[in-house]
Amino acid sequence: GQSLEQPSEVTAVEGAIVQINCTYQTSGFYGLSWYQQHDGGAPTFLSYNALDGLEETGRFSSFLSRSDSYGYLLLQELQMKDSASYFCAVRPRVGGATNKLIFGTGTLLAVQP
Amino acid sequence: SAVISQKPSRDICQRGTSLTIQCQVDSQVTMMFWYRQQPGQSLTLIATANQGSEATYESGFVIDKFPISRPNLTFSTLTVSNMSPEDSSIYLCSAAGGPQETQYFGPGTRLLVL
Repeated sequence: GQSLEQPSEVTAVEGAIVQINCTYQTSGFYGLSWYQQHDGGAPTFLSYNALDGLEETGRFSSFLSRSDSYGYLLLQELQMKDSASYFCAVRPRVGGATNKLIFGTGTLLAVQP
Repeated sequence: SAVISQKPSRDICQRGTSLTIQCQVDSQVTMMFWYRQQPGQSLTLIATANQGSEATYESGFVIDKFPISRPNLTFSTLTVSNMSPEDSSIYLCSAAGGPQETQYFGPGTRLLVL
């Protein structure tokens, strides 16, 4: 099976940098994704790591290390609007091609002024 | 990216009744999925909606309780049958598309069962 663990809550101040970690146990997967979900909203795609290393998209960066079973989302120049829940997710490599996602436990980020 | 709509956006239902949730995608997609999310919790995959065939259910979810239809590449329905208060949750539809098969989510249906 697959399990992805994240810290339940993280608090940071505006303008700061915050890292949200995702540690996983899985038998194999195609890539690690990150989603943002504001309270009452739909999850929205942020970033995807197919390979080990760092992917940068504006203020957001995501990192994957398959050898360490670990990934993280890095948010720079934090803004109040970044207050949301963040989920890591994997596409498991199980029994042929599949696009289903298994989500992590989620991290609630609170950005304070 | 795909734009996904769901209806109803919310509903309050009596136990023992059934509710059908509709999901419409603005473009043809290969894969559609249904998730459940309890308030403050993560997303749990219910099933993959397969076009023209029976849905593929995850462990703990069965067709009798959550029948799913997908008559074409842009539309799917999820029915929550014989509801109990434990079925109160947010139900989310998603569709996968693009070179990385990124999943895009609908706004969700907030269900309260009394």
